[in-house]
Amino acid sequence: DSGVTQTPKHLITATGQRVTLRCSPRSGDLSVYWYQQSLDQGLQFLIQYYNGEERAKGNILERFSAQQFPDLHSELNLSSLELGDSALYFCASSGPGTGTQYFGPGTRLLVL
Amino acid sequence: GQQVMQIPQYQHVQEGEDFTTYCNSSTTLSNIQWYKQRPGGHPVFLIQLVKSGEVKKQKRLTFQFGEAKKNSSLHITATQTTDVGTYFCAEPNTGGFKTIFGAGTRLFVKA
Repeated sequence: DSGVTQTPKHLITATGQRVTLRCSPRSGDLSVYWYQQSLDQGLQFLIQYYNGEERAKGNILERFSAQQFPDLHSELNLSSLELGDSALYFCASSGPGTGTQYFGPGTRLLVL
Repeated sequence: GQQVMQIPQYQHVQEGEDFTTYCNSSTTLSNIQWYKQRPGGHPVFLIQLVKSGEVKKQKRLTFQFGEAKKNSSLHITATQTTDVGTYFCAEPNTGGFKTIFGAGTRLFVKA
């Protein structure tokens, strides 16, 4: 158990819909990262937040957005969903001064 | 943009054989990390290398960082079925730049 929690574990929805994925980092970690992993693919970095502020941005679609709240949990919002958005979405957190990332169990999104 | 290339993409070995995955970058890496993802699981941090030429060992796993800090390798001696999974190298976020993961090497071990 990494200490990072993600909800929900599974999500099935239809094209055109909007979903919200939630992540709670490890206690004390200020950084939260979001990744997308399609079937048997690598980890695509989406975005990073540090203490509520956006720190780095990867290949995140305009239909996707994220935020980190004062209690440090983070949400990833996916809208106008397409079939190709079906994937595993991982959240990771890291502590200050370290780049070591601790991954949550992921949310498996299926868009039908 | 900056990329971290990882080879091979897949590797099938017989249990007891050795395995190596390589990570290469066109630019100098500040440091490099290795992660393992078991089938159906999430990536788990293995190790971080920082110094040029650094070599670290974890039981049957040996990690190396190149002298020029542009490449790294992970070598597993005498693979076991518990070693199956995908091994990723990554250049962690430093100074506000995005984290870059290699594509991963998926290891299959036949008993």
